[in-house]
Amino acid sequence: GAVVSQHPSWVICKSGTSVKIECRSLDFQATTMFWYRQFPKQSLMLMATSNEGSKATYEQGVEKDKFLINHASLTLSTLTVTSAHPEDSSFYICSASRREQFFGPGTRLTVL
Amino acid sequence: TQLLEQSPQFLSIQEGENLTVYCNSSSVFSSLQWYRQEPGEGPVLLVTVVTGGEVKKLKRLTFQFGDARKDSSLHITAAQPGDTGLYLCAGGWGGGATNKLIFGTGTLLAVQP
Repeated sequence: GAVVSQHPSWVICKSGTSVKIECRSLDFQATTMFWYRQFPKQSLMLMATSNEGSKATYEQGVEKDKFLINHASLTLSTLTVTSAHPEDSSFYICSASRREQFFGPGTRLTVL
Repeated sequence: TQLLEQSPQFLSIQEGENLTVYCNSSSVFSSLQWYRQEPGEGPVLLVTVVTGGEVKKLKRLTFQFGDARKDSSLHITAAQPGDTGLYLCAGGWGGGATNKLIFGTGTLLAVQP
């Protein structure tokens, strides 16, 4: 149990476009999901906490208008990177929490 | 500000050697997790420790939580190439589903056959 999926697994987009990443908990309900970003060979940096039915809580330094988070149901959270630029290129990972956090496989975003 | 510092940052060893990875903080955590991550994948939970001084063993891996719950160590005995990966510690406060984790700086381990 405790399987978390992400879609897409990778995406390439042009600068200025928006990209949506989905995070789904497949076999349990998660009132809380987390979004992280990770640069090559570096650790995970928490971006925001996604709460079902309420606004996300963003970490200091993360632009909430640029990284839109929606937690539409107990099994789905989405992260939309708006007006993406090359510096937004990264590995984005979500987790769904049920006492412990279970991580998705990540989404590789490349902005040209 | 990085609250959890891991050392070493990189480690390349030969198969069969032993190694220890350290995770240190000035903050007290309610729990501490260790994860292993392979390239292009999400982290996979190895262990959770919650009690100061706690020691947990997972086959050739031994995890210890410091008495003051500020630090932890991961010891691998007789490392194998399959142990290669990025090892991450993560500290949490409180409990339950809303428990936010702060990740350590990471230790990249390469085990040469």
